[in-house]
Amino acid sequence: NAGVMQNPRHLVRRRGQEARLRCSPMKGHSHVYWYRQLPEEGLKFMVYLQKENIIDESGMPKERFSAEFPKEGPSILRIQQVVRGDSAAYFCASSPSGGIGGNQPQHFGDGTRLSIL
Amino acid sequence: GIQVEQSPPDLILQEGANSTLRCNFSDSVNNLQWFHQNPWGQLINLFYIPSGTKQNGRLSATTVATERYSLLYISSSQTTDSGVYFCAVRLRETSGSRLTFGEGTQLTVNP
Repeated sequence: NAGVMQNPRHLVRRRGQEARLRCSPMKGHSHVYWYRQLPEEGLKFMVYLQKENIIDESGMPKERFSAEFPKEGPSILRIQQVVRGDSAAYFCASSPSGGIGGNQPQHFGDGTRLSIL
Repeated sequence: GIQVEQSPPDLILQEGANSTLRCNFSDSVNNLQWFHQNPWGQLINLFYIPSGTKQNGRLSATTVATERYSLLYISSSQTTDSGVYFCAVRLRETSGSRLTFGEGTQLTVNP
């Protein structure tokens, strides 16, 4: 019974490159959330998606960041032209389909640690 | 926006001691979760507890929603309990489903 799977666990990029972070939700979950954790801080919400729909992206930086959750395959968080300040741990969470998404517990993956050289 | 405050920010214990961590929130919530982030950075889901009391081994949690706080109790602490404990809440009235995290309590348990 696999949990939320994120890959890669660690990602190193040079400034200006693109970073792609992947998240496969738990089986049966169709709600996906991305959070960012800067060093020595708590997690901050970025975006909430359901299959093929972005529901709430109010926490996403306006430029360079995008997210998708296609009908088939994992959710992708994409960061273009990365800068040093993008270095952080990026966590994905999922919750069950059906009902009101916010009343279900969110289950977190192990995160992707992004380092920008 | 909703405020989530955790206390204390840091806590150092000797193995075997008990502790209470507190989470105050500024508005009505319909989702409250406690997490343990271990030294390897993994987030471990401890409790989903929007109200009431739950226990799991040496850990228990109580949320008093009407008074807008939650408590996490750790009894007979072990060195493996070290790490950061986060409280996270979802606003009852928000249109989204985001969790708002507190800044955490850094717990160190010494042998």
